[in-house]
Amino acid sequence: QLQLRESGPGLVKPSETLSLTCTVSGGSISSSNYYWAWIRQSPGKGLEWIGSIYYTGSTYYTPSLKPRVTISIDLSQNQFSLKLTSVTAADTAVYYCATSGSQHYLYYFDSWGQGPLVTVSS
Amino acid sequence: EIVLTQSPGTLSLSLGERATLSCRASQSLSNRYLAWYQQKLGQAPRVIISGVSSRATGIPDRFSGSGFGTDFTLTISRLEPEDFAVYYCQQYENSPWTFGQGTKVEIK
Repeated sequence: QLQLRESGPGLVKPSETLSLTCTVSGGSISSSNYYWAWIRQSPGKGLEWIGSIYYTGSTYYTPSLKPRVTISIDLSQNQFSLKLTSVTAADTAVYYCATSGSQHYLYYFDSWGQGPLVTVSS
Repeated sequence: EIVLTQSPGTLSLSLGERATLSCRASQSLSNRYLAWYQQKLGQAPRVIISGVSSRATGIPDRFSGSGFGTDFTLTISRLEPEDFAVYYCQQYENSPWTFGQGTKVEIK
């Protein structure tokens, strides 16, 4: 059973970059069986898929955030990361890392991290 | 982008009652790529149904999913104490993957 754990600052200043890392245990991030995803949840917008990455480094982003988002993968550390630039208070949310299968019929999210709250405030 | 609209926003029911939750998609999900999640306070969502009607591992059979096209339903046949939570639908038919706004099932 995969386990995911997010780490990173809980407070980010407006206009700065939000950075989070997800550490995967119980399986290899190099596996061709998974996509690795970031999802956020805020009171105003509910659950929002941010983007996903495959072990090859191929990335897929939601269009509204694409100009500001980078998801990367570190196979040697069994980690993947999220960077969101130029943050505003609207980016305050609980940020989850999650995983889905690699075939289309498995693209739902079946393992989730605990999800830290990230607050954007000066 | 496919918009998912869930109704009702809140469902107030008693233990043992039947819960019927609705999820309507703005476009047809012809491949039936719709999942349901349960979220309890302070926890991450947990998938309970995928592919419209397939229960995830360990999910009791009082949970069932149905529907086709644009209209989908999650039914909890007899509410147990641990079922009171917020439920979300999610489509993975067309990117970007999107979620409904949730239905809260609360104790009456």
